[in-house]
Amino acid sequence: GENVEQHPSTLSVQEGDSAVIKCTYSDSASNYFPWYKQELGKGPQLIIDIRSNVGEKKDQRIAVTLNKTAKHFSLHITETQPEDSAVYFCAASMGGPGGRGSTLGRLYFGRGTQLTVWP
Amino acid sequence: DVKVTQSSRYLVKRTGEKVFLECVQDMDHENMFWYRQDPGLGLRLIYFSYDVKMKEKGDIPEGYSVSREKKERFSLILESASTNQTSMYLCASSPGAPQHFGDGTRLSIL
Repeated sequence: GENVEQHPSTLSVQEGDSAVIKCTYSDSASNYFPWYKQELGKGPQLIIDIRSNVGEKKDQRIAVTLNKTAKHFSLHITETQPEDSAVYFCAASMGGPGGRGSTLGRLYFGRGTQLTVWP
Repeated sequence: DVKVTQSSRYLVKRTGEKVFLECVQDMDHENMFWYRQDPGLGLRLIYFSYDVKMKEKGDIPEGYSVSREKKERFSLILESASTNQTSMYLCASSPGAPQHFGDGTRLSIL
């Protein structure tokens, strides 16, 4: 099955700096890559996702880049704020955004990155 | 907004008990998932279901079973709870993607 590796496991930045989290995946059939943010005491929440036919996607201070050839994708957070402090998870799926049924809908997760933003 | 509701936020049970964790989603999603979250190990998939009465094993199904009698409800069952099943359990649902998570049940087995 798919293997997703995520680095670093912990990341500390000063408020206003940028943060970058990197993930690699093993199966070239993966075509959908979401990122989740998990705040203390809550479940993971989707913050951005990217499909394999796109190289980059932005949403305000958050961006994700995808390199299919190298099989890696990254989350970039600019102008970090203390409320960005959380655990971030990357994931990969072979089903794409429309994957239904059987194994198509499952996600393979990285182990998470604890991001701390110091004021 | 999608709502995934897990019946308990905190649960304490004893070794050997049969434990039921319940999850309900309100968006008519076909797929539902149960994960276990432990520090440093991320989210590990226990079981998932892509239709009523259908289930598939994830990566760590040993010691667990599931039930999906209705589309909106997915139950995780610990047949005979053991201390190594003390963990955070997360339920998710999806129409394919993305997955929407509940806030988790922190289960302690004494």
